[in-house]
Amino acid sequence: DTEVTQTPKHLVMGMTNKKSLKCEQHMGHRAMYWYKQKAKKPPELMFVYSYEKLSINESVPSRFSPECPNSSLLNLHLHALQPEDSALYLCASSHSLSYEQYFGPGTRLTVT
Amino acid sequence: GESVGLHLPTLSVQEGDNSIINCAYSNSASDYFIWYKQESGKGPQFIIDIRSNMDKRQGQRVTVLLNKTVKHLSLQIAATQPGDSAVYFCALRWDNNDMRFGAGTRLTVKP
Repeated sequence: DTEVTQTPKHLVMGMTNKKSLKCEQHMGHRAMYWYKQKAKKPPELMFVYSYEKLSINESVPSRFSPECPNSSLLNLHLHALQPEDSALYLCASSHSLSYEQYFGPGTRLTVT
Repeated sequence: GESVGLHLPTLSVQEGDNSIINCAYSNSASDYFIWYKQESGKGPQFIIDIRSNMDKRQGQRVTVLLNKTVKHLSLQIAATQPGDSAVYFCALRWDNNDMRFGAGTRLTVKP
């Protein structure tokens, strides 16, 4: 298995909702990442997990809460989002922090 | 401040021609560089990488060149095909294993 999967593909949520994005990989990678990508812009790093521990938090608002339950799974819990949080949320994984990242297809999030 | 940038936001080439996409960076401490391809509606796809102890690396139809003196990275695609049409991002390792992406270049291949 050489891919990163993300669910759901699309998500529409209100500003008072709580939802979660899920990411999974079975490549034995020990580093996993969340990125946010707005239209016509490059991906922006949000969080990095290395060996299931949070390694980097790029000053992301607390309404985004990451979780790494095990080495294959990465979640992003969403609560009280704003319309400007609408974007494509990309998950990636890599063998370790010093290797190329493999990206999932993303979750297209719309906050209404 | 530090930045990652590309010389051209768009590039249009004829099918069969070679393409060159450029990337300038300013963090002299960066030691790992990657090129990604992103097609519409998909996540970025790894193309090729290079570490700072090298100045050239070749893959299938692609070559990455690194000039650390002028902090410049380029991606060369040989015999460009319609399937190469996409947005291409350079990315580099910043401080503390933070990967940062350039603004992207949209490559359009004309048949």
